[in-house]
Amino acid sequence: KAGVTQTPRYLIKTRGQQVTLSCSPISGHRSVSWYQQTPGQGLQFLFEYFSETQRNKGNFPGRFSGRQFSNSRSEMNVSTLELGDSALYLCASSLASGSHNEQFFGPGTRLTVL
Amino acid sequence: AQRVTQPEKLLSVFKGAPVELKCNYSYSGSPELFWYVQYSRQRLQLLLRHISRESIKGFTADLNKGETSFHLKKPFAQEEDSAMYYCALSGFDYGQNFVFGPGTRLSVLP
Repeated sequence: KAGVTQTPRYLIKTRGQQVTLSCSPISGHRSVSWYQQTPGQGLQFLFEYFSETQRNKGNFPGRFSGRQFSNSRSEMNVSTLELGDSALYLCASSLASGSHNEQFFGPGTRLTVL
Repeated sequence: AQRVTQPEKLLSVFKGAPVELKCNYSYSGSPELFWYVQYSRQRLQLLLRHISRESIKGFTADLNKGETSFHLKKPFAQEEDSAMYYCALSGFDYGQNFVFGPGTRLSVLP
């Protein structure tokens, strides 16, 4: 089975712009979670989508949003980018929601905000 | 609030020596604890979870609710164990909302 894929792998944007990141889960997986990873804050949970519905949300401002499509692919959007949004954004998929389902991580999208 | 701490940023041991990576957590409910590992230039992957009580690659971890700890142990470290290790917590009510610790880089010296 192909693993979780994320596109693009690298992205450079300027402050005030918006960005959309994409995540394709492992075939058959219906839950997709997003994380932000920075040297200062480590790995932080953004949100989880399951069956096209946001199931959980972390403590991030409303500029961070996401959605999931009927084929379980997910997108994450960040509007009005700030310098502090520079990070590695990781996507993880699992068969279903619930912590007993193993998460499989993608390679990440490295976002740099100038 | 849920919180996971890993006191060591870097841990260096010699090959064949025992290794213990510390993890402490705070959570008011029934937590589920995990260890994730990231080898150089590889993706983050699950190493083990407390609920399955299994040993993976010689690593074990026991959940101690009294001390709110979930330390990762291996009796004899190997060079290929060098990696970044993250302890993570999820409450049963929180779906896939994981709280990760800051991570410990393990370096196994020859």
